[in-house]
Amino acid sequence: DVKVTQSSRYLVKRTGEKVFLECVQDMDHENMFWYRQDPGLGLRLIYFSYDVKMKEKGDIPEGYSVSREKKERFSLILESASTNQTSMYLCASSSMGVQYFGPGTRLTVT
Amino acid sequence: GENVEQHPSTLSVQEGDSAVIKCTYSDSASNYFPWYKQELGKGPQLIIDIRSNVGEKKDQRIAVTLNKTAKHFSLHITETQPEDSAVYFCAAPLTNQNDYKLSFGAGTTVTVRA
Repeated sequence: DVKVTQSSRYLVKRTGEKVFLECVQDMDHENMFWYRQDPGLGLRLIYFSYDVKMKEKGDIPEGYSVSREKKERFSLILESASTNQTSMYLCASSSMGVQYFGPGTRLTVT
Repeated sequence: GENVEQHPSTLSVQEGDSAVIKCTYSDSASNYFPWYKQELGKGPQLIIDIRSNVGEKKDQRIAVTLNKTAKHFSLHITETQPEDSAVYFCAAPLTNQNDYKLSFGAGTTVTVRA
């Protein structure tokens, strides 16, 4: 079975802090994604990576950056966390169009 | 890019009844339509998908239908059971570049009443 793991299930950070969300997949997938999930808005794509060190902005990249130094790991970085970044963050990897999601990280910024 | 609208946002059904969720899309070139189910505390998981060369696909109690002319596709769950309670998302390709990025609907929270 494909396994996508995220470093934390719950995270509480203060405004202005730098936040790292880590995602690891074990199926050697080339494509990886970061989404945020908010009620009534579904899943919105933040960033996409199609190979090591390769990335593309999604629909809502503002305030976020990403890093993919190794194929299995895709990190989401909030350079200076703000309260409007309080959300559920989902990582996914994909093969042949099917996306496999991690369990999510619920981030609260106070 | 693709715009996907999903209705209804919430759906409550009696156990044993059917549930139907409908999505519309904007890009007539879209050719792949997956449905994901998200149970409480978990990430979404693919439950069924359909490609544009077929009009219907069925897998046990769930089925998806596609109307390319009207640009809408629907998820049908028959004989609903308590374990069908979850949030369901439809999706379509975000672009037509075959890069596997998806545009998701807003989600439907399905509650099956015992």
